[in-house]
Amino acid sequence: AQSVTQLDSQVPVFEEAPVELRCNYSSSVSVYLFWYVQYPNQGLQLLLKYLSGSTLVKGINGFEAEFNKSQTSFHLRKPSVHISDTAEYFCAVSEVQGAQKLVFGQGTRLTINP
Amino acid sequence: EPEVTQTPSHQVTQMGQEVILRCVPISNHLYFYWYRQILGQKVEFLVSFYNNEISEKSEIFDDQFSVERPDGSNFTLKIRSTKLEDSAMYFCASSGDFTYEQYFGPGTRLTVT
Repeated sequence: AQSVTQLDSQVPVFEEAPVELRCNYSSSVSVYLFWYVQYPNQGLQLLLKYLSGSTLVKGINGFEAEFNKSQTSFHLRKPSVHISDTAEYFCAVSEVQGAQKLVFGQGTRLTINP
Repeated sequence: EPEVTQTPSHQVTQMGQEVILRCVPISNHLYFYWYRQILGQKVEFLVSFYNNEISEKSEIFDDQFSVERPDGSNFTLKIRSTKLEDSAMYFCASSGDFTYEQYFGPGTRLTVT
């Protein structure tokens, strides 16, 4: 079984500042890793994913994440945030067998202050 | 760009009533999922569906729940006798073969009174 821990439930940041949202996972098997974003009153949108290869993955809206196998982490970063990045961010994993269920973390609410 | 759609956006029902939540996955996708998110909590997996049968289900998905793909385009989640604790946002998702990326619908907010 897998589990995902997002260490920060809320992260307030000033506009144009950098941000890091932390994610750690636990699994006895190899996993794929994902970050999803949920804007207010909307569904989940995929930001980026790690399947294999380079451990630094780039996603939409200027976000990137780095897979660290030894630390079982997949932290999300953005060098300069915008007001429009205010949303809930979810880290998720799935087993490496294709088309498997997603196991989500608790979510991190990112609030951008002007 | 193709998208997953869900209807209704909001459903209010009385305890003990049956509800059917509807989803139209992306047309060439083969794998279908239902998740739910109770207010303030994490998104939880309910069930996955492939080749006209359930491929995996969670402990939450008990005998009160069922899924169906009645006509090759719709994917439905039925709750036979709703409980107060079924109040949540229900998300449908779909994925294509070997893409490993699940596309989510906007959700149906179910309120059980």
